[in-house]
This record gives sequence, C-alpha cells and structure tokens, in this order.
Amino acid sequence: EAGVTQFPSHSVIEKGQTVTLRCDPISGHDNLYWYRRVMGKEIKFLLHFVKESKQDESGMPNNRFLAERTGGTYSTLKVQPAELEDSGVYFCASRSTGLYEQYFGPGTRLTVT
Amino acid sequence: GQQLNQSPQSMFIQEGEDVSMNCTSSSIFNTWLWYKQDPGEGPVLLIALYKAGELTSNGRLTAQFGITRKDSFLNISASIPSDVGIYFCAGQRTSNTGKLIFGQGTTLQVKP
Repeated sequence: EAGVTQFPSHSVIEKGQTVTLRCDPISGHDNLYWYRRVMGKEIKFLLHFVKESKQDESGMPNNRFLAERTGGTYSTLKVQPAELEDSGVYFCASRSTGLYEQYFGPGTRLTVT
Repeated sequence: GQQLNQSPQSMFIQEGEDVSMNCTSSSIFNTWLWYKQDPGEGPVLLIALYKAGELTSNGRLTAQFGITRKDSFLNISASIPSDVGIYFCAGQRTSNTGKLIFGQGTTLQVKP
C-alpha cells in the first residue's frame, strides 16, 4: 500500500509569488490533515478535511492560504502571495475513519526568499 | 493557544545509554502520542496512549500517560545509532480523531 505522498519535496520562491503544494493521501482515507513546522519550532495544525469538506480550519494562519480537496481525494494548499514567514516544512497526514493513527507524508520544504 | 512543552530540546548520548524525554501541558489531553521523524521523512507514530496512568511499551521504547493527563514521558533503553532523529510528543484534546498538538521536538544524536 502506497503511503502519503507530497509534491514537490522542495520549493524555493520569491516573496510575493504563488506556490501550490499537493498531497495524495493513502487510498481510502477520508480524513486529510495539513500541518506546518517552522524552523526549530513545533509542528502546527493547519486544517482537517473529511472527504471534500473542511472539518476544522482553525489553524490556517490567514487568508493567503487556501486549501482544497475537490472530489475528496488529493488536496492542494496554495499560498498567495507568499511571505518570508511562510517558510517551513508543510506536512500532510491522512487517517482512515474509525481508526486513530494519522500517517504523515514526507513533507514539502518551502523556502520564501 | 494550547502548548506542549517538550524537553530536553536535544540530547547527545553514547550508544547503549538510556534516554528519557517528556512533555508537559497546562491543559488536559485525552490522548498522548509519541512520533519519530527521520531526516527527509514525515513523523512516524511510535506509541499511542489513551488512558491516564497508562504505561505502554514498544520494544525498547516505553511511554506513560501522566495521571493528571497533563504530561507524558518516553524512555528509550539501550540506545542504538538508528535511534537518531527528532522525537515529538503530541496530544489530542477533545477527541482522538482530530488535530494533533505537537511539542517542539527532541533531537537525539547517538554516538557509536
């Protein structure tokens, strides 16, 4: 069974540009989470999808961040326009309904210069 | 907001030594979890704790859910070089299906 995959693995963009991160959860997992780790700090929750619906988006930093999960399969996280403080590693995790464990992808390292 | 205080921030130990790290919070959690992150990978679940006072082992790893539900520790016995990585504690507040709240991480280095 394939794990959670994320694309790209690294992205370097300039301040003001737009970046879109993609997450493909484990097949059949209805729950999809986005997290972010800024350098040296804790991993912070961004939002939680159940299928295509946003269950909890309390961690989204501001309206420059837009997450979508059309069709309830893969998800995208767009940052527009990117700011320097958006740099960090963005993790996606998925979970099967009825089970507790969240499986994490390898992350996308975003650097905004 | 909710915060988990994880310590120590980093450890450099000799192979064969035991390791202990812990997390504390001012808030109660219903579930405590311990994850390990290897370079270039995402966090992988090591141990999950669901009841206050619960003590659970997974090989050389032992973790406990504090009786007050505000803390947890992770012990690694007889460390080996592949134990190197970043260890995170995480808690779930209201249900065990929702968001995880992470500690700052403990970076472990093991000298052969």
